[in-house]
Amino acid sequence: DAGVIQSPRHEVTEMGQEVTLRCKPISGHDYLFWYRQTMMRGLELLIYFNNNVPIDDSGMPEDRFSAKMPNASFSTLKIQPSEPRDSAVYFCASSKTSGGRYGYTFGSGTRLTVV
Amino acid sequence: DQQVKQNSPSLSVQEGRISILNCDYTNSMFDYFLWYKKYPAEGPTFLISISSIKDKNEDGRFTVFLNKSAKHLSLHIVPSQPGDSAVYFCAASGKTSYDKVIFGPGTSLSVIP
Repeated sequence: DAGVIQSPRHEVTEMGQEVTLRCKPISGHDYLFWYRQTMMRGLELLIYFNNNVPIDDSGMPEDRFSAKMPNASFSTLKIQPSEPRDSAVYFCASSKTSGGRYGYTFGSGTRLTVV
Repeated sequence: DQQVKQNSPSLSVQEGRISILNCDYTNSMFDYFLWYKKYPAEGPTFLISISSIKDKNEDGRFTVFLNKSAKHLSLHIVPSQPGDSAVYFCAASGKTSYDKVIFGPGTSLSVIP
């Protein structure tokens, strides 16, 4: 298995532009998570899905952020409009469970820079 | 308010010695505790976990100890190797199938050859 695949690896965009981050989870994993890593807040959970359905989006910072999972093999995280404070590394992870028993498998992340 | 705390942002250890990374938590309902390791430009990778019904779990050079009364856990790496240099995240989750994993801020470990 290729693991969790995220694209792009790096994204530089201007403030106000729309940004779309993509994720392909591991086949057979029913849970998909979007995390954001910053120096100030560490790894924070933005949203997670179970069987393509959003379960908890309480970590999504603002209405500018939206996430979708149209099928079991693909998810997107969109920021519209983007702002400089959105600059961070965004990770996607997948798992067989939502809890910690088996651990999550993370992708390599997308480093977003908004100028 | 942070439910999972790692009060040491960084730690340096000589190769061959023991590395001890500490973690404290506030939520007594946490059921599983995990450690992840992260290299630069990579995602975190799962290292080891422990259930709240145990006080120790060992996997090769890595041992996690849990002290529920103190709400404290630690990761011991013996012997430490230069390849262990990474950021280590402590994490915790609850019992139910909808409980998510909460991560600490991480501790950067440097193992000096």
